[in-house]
Amino acid sequence: DQQVKQNSPSLSVQEGRISILNCDYTNSMFDYFLWYKKYPAEGPTFLISISSIKDKNEDGRFTVFLNKSAKHLSLHIVPSQPGDSAVYFCAASGITSGTYKYIFGTGTRLKVLA
Amino acid sequence: NAGVTQTPKFRILKIGQSMTLQCTQDMNHNYMYWYRQDPGMGLKLIYYSVGAGITDKGEVPNGYNVSRSTTEDFPLRLELAAPSQTSVYFCASRDPSPAGRYEQYFGPGTRLTVT
Repeated sequence: DQQVKQNSPSLSVQEGRISILNCDYTNSMFDYFLWYKKYPAEGPTFLISISSIKDKNEDGRFTVFLNKSAKHLSLHIVPSQPGDSAVYFCAASGITSGTYKYIFGTGTRLKVLA
Repeated sequence: NAGVTQTPKFRILKIGQSMTLQCTQDMNHNYMYWYRQDPGMGLKLIYYSVGAGITDKGEVPNGYNVSRSTTEDFPLRLELAAPSQTSVYFCASRDPSPAGRYEQYFGPGTRLTVT
């Protein structure tokens, strides 16, 4: 049972345009959501997060939107740059047995074309 | 700070062999995690620890063991390697403070092949 889904395995976007990466979740107990970026042969690095009490969080070129009623979040990158080409994972978390655990999606490979 | 370090970077094991994947963090984080990532899949939690001496199973613990004798180190042990354990293994740590940030810091990974 995949609790966190990223239905688009890959996405190509022209440099300077907007990249929109989507993520859906099924568990209404999740209360914190994160996006990670991963380059080949490296570990994931944290990008941006959002608490379930908010519907938007911005950090520079990156904005995450949360729609709790639809159990959907999205990551917007504006403007997209070639260095943004990477695999992006969304993760959802909530307290289970007194500690935070994280459920990861399968990732979306973003390619930004120069 | 070196952050989270993992050794080795690569390893090839024969079926039935054993090995230990090392993970060390220098951020004084109490929470540490082991994940595996199979091709085209997300990260699956193997084991986690909320502090020295405390460990618990994640989603896919079978075939693995862990120990946490210090805050810094969280080794993962494979006792009888099987081809199904071919994967990339990531160690991560996190600051447990409720008022702090919730993101995990990941190591660079260990690519393991069992043949």
